[in-house]
This record gives sequence, structure tokens and C-alpha cells, in this order.
Amino acid sequence: AQSVAQPEDQVNVAEGNPLTVKCTYSVSGNPYLFWYVQYPNRGLQFLLKYITGDNLVKGSYGFEAEFNKSQTSFHLKKPSALVSDSALYFCAVRPLLMDTGRRALTFGSGTRLQVQP
Amino acid sequence: EAEVAQSPRYKITEKSQAVAFWCDPISGHATLYWYRQILGQGPELLVQFQDESVVDDSQLPKDRFSAERLKGVDSTLKIQPAELGDSAMYLCASSSSRGSSYEQYFGPGTRLTVT
Repeated sequence: AQSVAQPEDQVNVAEGNPLTVKCTYSVSGNPYLFWYVQYPNRGLQFLLKYITGDNLVKGSYGFEAEFNKSQTSFHLKKPSALVSDSALYFCAVRPLLMDTGRRALTFGSGTRLQVQP
Repeated sequence: EAEVAQSPRYKITEKSQAVAFWCDPISGHATLYWYRQILGQGPELLVQFQDESVVDDSQLPKDRFSAERLKGVDSTLKIQPAELGDSAMYLCASSSSRGSSYEQYFGPGTRLTVT
């Protein structure tokens, strides 16, 4: 069974500083990896994904994430944080091969990002 | 930009009552998911449809929950009877089965409060 760990419940960063939100995963075989963001009382919004290829993937709103197979990590990063980036961030994983047709994502518990002005 | 629609956005019900949620996926998306998100946790799958067929309902409490997608388009999730522990956000998502598009697109959710 697959699992995702987000070790930090909350990350605090000053506006303009770089940010990192950590994610590690466990899955059989090669993973599909995703980051989603959730604003209060809203659904999840897709940020970026890693399927194959370049380990550094770029996504929406200036976010990027680095896939590290040896460390089974997929940390979310942004060079310069904005106050508007404050939200709840979820990492998710899905195995590459699912011959049953199952495509459900397994989510981490979420990390709240607070960007201070 | 196409979006997943859900209604109602908020629902308050008393325990032992029946409640139903509706979802309309992005047009053309064959795969539809219902997730439950308890406050402070990540979403967890309840049921996955491929067209009108259930692919995965292993985590659906079938004694009280039911889901259908009769024509392979919109879907309804029902709880009967509701229990206090069912208070959560119910999220619908859809994804395309074609090409290399693997991401799921989520609706705004229905926040259920059971009193």
C-alpha cells in the first residue's frame, strides 16, 4: 500500500524568502506524484505533477518540486514567497501501474503555509 | 475554464436523517471520484467510477453510503442514516482517461455538519 508523509504541520516564512514544503512517499514501483493547494472552504487546486523525465518540475504560480528517487521525496519549493501563497498544501501519490484501473490518490495530512508580510 | 460542479456547498442535517450530494464532472472526463476530507486531514477515497461502473469502493461504508453514476456523467452520493462522525467535507473530482493527463480536478466540495 502507498503512503505519503508531510512531516511539518505548519511552515512559516517571511514574504520574499524562499519556501520549502516537505513530502516523502512510499509506493511499490515508480510513482506518480502531485501537489495540490487548498484555500479555506474550497476544493483542492492542482499545482504540479511528476510522471517521468526531468526531476525538477515546474507548476502554477511559480511553484516547483524536485523528485528525489533515492530519498523518496518530492519537496515543494518557491524562490520567493507571497502572502497570497498562504494556504494548505497536500502532497499525493499514485502508483505507476494499476492494472485494476484504480487511480485514486493517496494524500498526505497537509502542511499549512503561513507567509508573513 | 471547465470546472467540477458540486451542490449543495453546505449541508446541516440531524443524525439519522438522509442526505445526498450531487457532482457534475468536467465534460468528457470518464473517471469520477468521491473523497471525504475530515478536518485536519487529507482527502480519502470513498468511491471511483469509470463511466457508469464502480472501479473502487473498498473504503465506502456500504451499510449507510451509496453512490451512483447512472448515465456515466453526473453522480450522486447518499448517506442514510447520517451519523455524527460523517461530519466532513465531501469532495468530487474528475480526470480524463485519455493521453498523459493524470491529474484530478476537484470541485469546491460539500461541507456536511451532522448534529
